[in-house]
Amino acid sequence: GAVVSQHPSWVICKSGTSVKIECRSLDFQATTMFWYRQFPKQSLMLMATSNEGSKATYEQGVEKDKFLINHASLTLSTLTVTSAHPEDSSFYICSALPLRLAAHTDTQYFGPGTRLTVL
Amino acid sequence: AQRVTQPEKLLSVFKGAPVELKCNYSYSGSPELFWYVQYSRQRLQLLLRHISRESIKGFTADLNKGETSFHLKKPFAQEEDSAMYYCALGSSNYKLTFGKGTLLTVNP
Repeated sequence: GAVVSQHPSWVICKSGTSVKIECRSLDFQATTMFWYRQFPKQSLMLMATSNEGSKATYEQGVEKDKFLINHASLTLSTLTVTSAHPEDSSFYICSALPLRLAAHTDTQYFGPGTRLTVL
Repeated sequence: AQRVTQPEKLLSVFKGAPVELKCNYSYSGSPELFWYVQYSRQRLQLLLRHISRESIKGFTADLNKGETSFHLKKPFAQEEDSAMYYCALGSSNYKLTFGKGTLLTVNP
């Protein structure tokens, strides 16, 4: 149990286009999902917290108009990279926090990641 | 501000040797510390957490508040332990701050 999927697993797009990445919790409900960005051989940087039914909260330095987050249901959050540029190329990872939570941070489950390449 | 430091980017040991992956943190509150592991071509997964004081796959980690450390140890490394290891600090709203990671290679 506790599987998180991401779609697509990789995407290549032209500069200036928008790309949508989906994060789904397959066998549990999640009111909270997180979006991370990972540069090659570097750590995961939290971009934003996605909350079902409300606006996402963004970390300092992350452009909310650039990275649109929609948490449409208890099992789906989407990240849209708008007007993508080559510097947006990265590995994007989501995690989901189960609804029935024992109030511990460690119960986040991670998706496999999406590799975005902007030409 | 909270910060997690993993001083070693790379660590290489031989099979059967002890291994210690270092992690230091900076946090004003009461910390929640975790170790995550990422095997080649796999997703990030939780290895262990300080509150449970458990041993997973032979790994242990002790929270030392005086030294603000949470080093990961294993007495006898195995080849299958080769992976990327991330130390992480949990804070309010379930957010995680990750260290930069240490790539462990266990040689035969």
